[in-house]
Amino acid sequence: AQSVTQLDSHVSVSEGTPVLLRCNYSSSYSPSLFWYVQHPNKGLQLLLKYTSAATLVKGINGFEAEFKKSETSFHLTKPSAHMSDAAEYFCVVSEGAGGFKTIFGAGTRLFVKA
Amino acid sequence: SQTIHQWPATLVQPVGSPLSLECTVEGTSNPNLYWYRQAAGRGLQLLFYSVGIGQISSEVPQNLSASRPQDRQFILSSKKLLLSDSGFYLCAWSVGTAWARGTIYFGEGSWLTVV
Repeated sequence: AQSVTQLDSHVSVSEGTPVLLRCNYSSSYSPSLFWYVQHPNKGLQLLLKYTSAATLVKGINGFEAEFKKSETSFHLTKPSAHMSDAAEYFCVVSEGAGGFKTIFGAGTRLFVKA
Repeated sequence: SQTIHQWPATLVQPVGSPLSLECTVEGTSNPNLYWYRQAAGRGLQLLFYSVGIGQISSEVPQNLSASRPQDRQFILSSKKLLLSDSGFYLCAWSVGTAWARGTIYFGEGSWLTVV
């Protein structure tokens, strides 16, 4: 069975400092992994995805994530936070076995202080 | 390019009243379609998904239902709303093949408040 755990429910950073949002996953198959961002009262927007190609994935708005199979992690990073990055972030795992299962993490709320 | 529209964006309904949320996808054929619910401060819950016209799978038994009358149209309904139905409803789609690896694209969401 697959699962996804976002290790922090809230993360607070100062503008201009690095962002790290942590995600661990569990999967019996070679999973696809995604990060989505949700601004208040909006739908989810895809930031980036990993589908068994390069392990370091670059996404929109300067975000990137590294797939580490040995650590079963897919942490999201950004070198320098911007006020507009304040939002909810979801880590998502989807298995490639045709099981019609996509699992969303509980979300991490990112706060950016001026 | 593909786009997804859902409406209405917000609605306030009394307990016991019916519900109809609509969603359409443009720019693709035979998509997989989904309805998710996001309760306040909580994660996403998959309610229904559909792989084709008239084919609906329910993930959570409840007083909601879904229908897919056309290839790119997905409707979420209820005959009698409960207070617990309040939440943020998201329609989504993915490419209709290799489902489990497909990226899911979301609409802007519909806020439902049952009073």
